[in-house]
Formats: sequence, structure tokens, C-alpha cells
Amino acid sequence: EVYLSESGGGFVRRGGSVRLSCVASGFIFRDYAMAWVRQAPGKGLEWVSGISGSGGSTFYADSLKGRFTISRDNSKNTLFLQMNSLRADDTAAYYCANGALYGPPLTWGQGTQVTVSS
Amino acid sequence: QSVLTQPPSASGTPGQRVSISCSGSSSNIGKNYVYWYQQFPGMAPKLLIYRDNQGPSGVPDRFSASKSGPSASLAISGLRPEDEADYYCAAWDDTLSGVVFGGGTKLTVL
Repeated sequence: EVYLSESGGGFVRRGGSVRLSCVASGFIFRDYAMAWVRQAPGKGLEWVSGISGSGGSTFYADSLKGRFTISRDNSKNTLFLQMNSLRADDTAAYYCANGALYGPPLTWGQGTQVTVSS
Repeated sequence: QSVLTQPPSASGTPGQRVSISCSGSSSNIGKNYVYWYQQFPGMAPKLLIYRDNQGPSGVPDRFSASKSGPSASLAISGLRPEDEADYYCAAWDDTLSGVVFGGGTKLTVL
């Protein structure tokens, strides 16, 4: 069974940084693209970033303007999201998910909450 | 403002058939697969339909989907109270080089 477990969320000051992690199991991690999707309180889903199975290709939502960096460690079946210069509107539940590189997610983790306070 | 357009709400009574629309463009739905998700309050989204009309194992066949040009729709037949949830469509967008989601539709079972 596919299992994705996010961690690293919490309270962070505006302008600060946080690194999210997602440990995967139940599938051959390196064979799958991975993605981060976020959901602000009471709002819809917003795709944040995606990365190929090898890690050689990455994509980001235009709105992030270079503040976020996605990466992966295939030796540890782990996906990361480095988030810098955090703003209040980055407050959201952040989900990791697997899937195809040029496609929407398949299986989702349970999410980790990031709250940016001033 | 979401790239894919969904009605904010939909409703039906038990046993009815309801449809939820998802409108996009030639750069997303018109060219790439559409996926649908179901989300209950406080829970992670769950894949309902992939590649336009394929249902993952475990998803009841009461859920079906179709696509025509830049638009898609999700249909739920034999509506049940437990179907009350938020539903989202999504697709890859060639122009944006990313995944785009609809704004979500809150389904109420009356």
C-alpha cells in the first residue's frame, strides 16, 4: 500500500524559512514524479511544485517567484520542500503526492500544517 | 481565480444523479488528462477518477466522468449521504507548465 507521511510543519515567523519532508513507502520511489500541493484554510487546492523521478526536472507555480525549492533523496525515499521568505498567505496545509511528471497527483499524504505568523 | 472553472456548489437527494462540470481551455483539459478528487472536511483529497474516465480500484462505479474538448464533468449516480464532500478537477497545463485545479464544488445531499 502506498503511504506518504509529511513532517516539518508548524508555526514560523513571517520572513522565516521551513523545510518540509515527505517519506514514501509502498512503491518504487525513484520511478515516480512527486509533487507538493497546498490548501489554505477554507480554500481550494493549489499545486505548488513537482519533480521528476530522477530529480532532474522541477516545476513550480508562478506565484512562488523562486521562494520555494523542491528536491528529493531517492536513497531515503524522501521528498523535500524548502520554503523561504514566508508570507502570511503561505499559511496552508501542505500535501505531498505521487504521480506522473506531467499530470495531477495520484496518492496523497495526510498533510502538514504551516502557519506563518507576524 | 482558478484556471479550471467549477460551480461552487451542487446538490441532490438520495438516489439522484448529479453532475459537476469543469471548464478549462485548449492548454489544459483540451489537451491533457483530467483527474477528479473527493475531499472530506479535515481530510486529504482522494483520487476519484484519473485519465479522464478511469476509476481506481476501490472507487464505486457510481462515480463516472467524461470529457469533451476543453470541458469535463463528473457524474455521481445513486447519490448517497456519504457522498457529501468537496470535489475538485485537475489537469496539467502546457502553457503554465504545472498542474491546475478547479476551485472545488461542495456537494450537498439533501
